Amino acid sequence: GDSVTQMEGPVTLSEEAFLTINCTYTATGYPSLFWYVQYPGEGLQLLLKATKADDKGSNKGFEATYRKETTSFHLEKGSVQVSDSAVYFCALSDLRSNYQLIWGAGTKLIIKP
Amino acid sequence: GAGVSQSPSNKVTEKGKDVELRCDPISGHTALYWYRQSLGQGLEFLIYFQGNSAPDKSGLPSDRFSAERTGGSVSTLTIQRTQQEDSAVYLCASSFPIADTQYFGPGTRLTVL
Repeated sequence: GDSVTQMEGPVTLSEEAFLTINCTYTATGYPSLFWYVQYPGEGLQLLLKATKADDKGSNKGFEATYRKETTSFHLEKGSVQVSDSAVYFCALSDLRSNYQLIWGAGTKLIIKP
Repeated sequence: GAGVSQSPSNKVTEKGKDVELRCDPISGHTALYWYRQSLGQGLEFLIYFQGNSAPDKSGLPSDRFSAERTGGSVSTLTIQRTQQEDSAVYLCASSFPIADTQYFGPGTRLTVL
């Protein structure tokens, strides 16, 4: 079945560092890809998404590009802030499975001032 | 309401008791999903409702779990004879039909003693 693999955490960076969180997927169809974020004590929020190959999703300075050739959707940010500390989840969904989200394990990001 | 709401926010119960968790989706969203977030299993799909169609129950872990959706809006997830391994955060999400972006509620944290 479809699956998502993302890099294990925690990832610890200093403020203003460049961030990459790797995400790769396995899918038989043409899924949509998502990054959700969970801030401490809060619920899951959609960060960004891409629905087809070569699409770039972006929000709050974060970006991810849907790469079909490498089956990847890596999350990047040029300069992280302490407020970006959270758990980041990569996920996919497909019409064939009623758009249920299939999740990666989550990556905890810690930003130190 | 403005977002997906869930109640209660926290539930502590004794092993063997039944519990009911409630979800109120965003007005106008006909698709509703339940997920579970636990330390051992990460995020996993439980059940999906779309309008008046038969629900997709493929993610329910056992027959102790059931859910219903009344009037195409509010949903209740029921766990009978709770076990300690049922301890998790239960998340509800809703979306427009034929759309892949889901919006999540704050979750219900269930603790089974």
